[in-house]
Amino acid sequence: EDKVVQSPLSLVVHEGDTVTLNCSYEVTNFRSLLWYKQEKKAPTFLFMLTSSGIEKKSGRLSSILDKKELFSILNITATQTGDSAIYLCAYRDDKIIFGKGTRLHILP
Amino acid sequence: NAGVTQTPKFRILKIGQSMTLQCAQDMNHNYMYWYRQDPGMGLKLIYYSVGAGITDKGEVPNGYNVSRSTTEDFPLRLELAAPSQTSVYFCASSYTLLGDLYGYTFGSGTRLTVV
Repeated sequence: EDKVVQSPLSLVVHEGDTVTLNCSYEVTNFRSLLWYKQEKKAPTFLFMLTSSGIEKKSGRLSSILDKKELFSILNITATQTGDSAIYLCAYRDDKIIFGKGTRLHILP
Repeated sequence: NAGVTQTPKFRILKIGQSMTLQCAQDMNHNYMYWYRQDPGMGLKLIYYSVGAGITDKGEVPNGYNVSRSTTEDFPLRLELAAPSQTSVYFCASSYTLLGDLYGYTFGSGTRLTVV
């Protein structure tokens, strides 16, 4: 049974649109919730979230965590074709557990 | 069913010493990675390998070297340890299928302190 569930599994939007990616998780011994962007090689780090309700921002990307409801969202505003990638959510307790990812494709 | 095995689990090094962090996987995964996680930060990619004999730099490769002589093993070498390399190191592996990466599996980590 998956401990980290991401939705949607894939998404196709036009350049300039705003997208919201979802991640829900099960708790055992929660330490942090991580977001990664994966293009052709290994995942690269975007955000680490440990506290509820505090938004983290980096340019057009932002993310927030809800520890009560056990989910996180990743927002990308004014999307560009370079945002096309798989976005991975990972939850850390004693291990690091990745979700299956959301495949995002931005059409020019 | 070992998955990804990292050794050692803990190590204290003196500045200037060298060491090798070992990583082995028994899942026949072609991709392997080394990440480091500093306190309060997410994982940063050090090096990765897409198959035996092929390695490439990640986000933070300085001060490290890797080799991939077999599919199973992906050791990470620190030549001249510095306090900035105090971190928790994670090895991971995955496989490719039709161009996508699947089956991410992480080791349990190596906690390294450089004093």
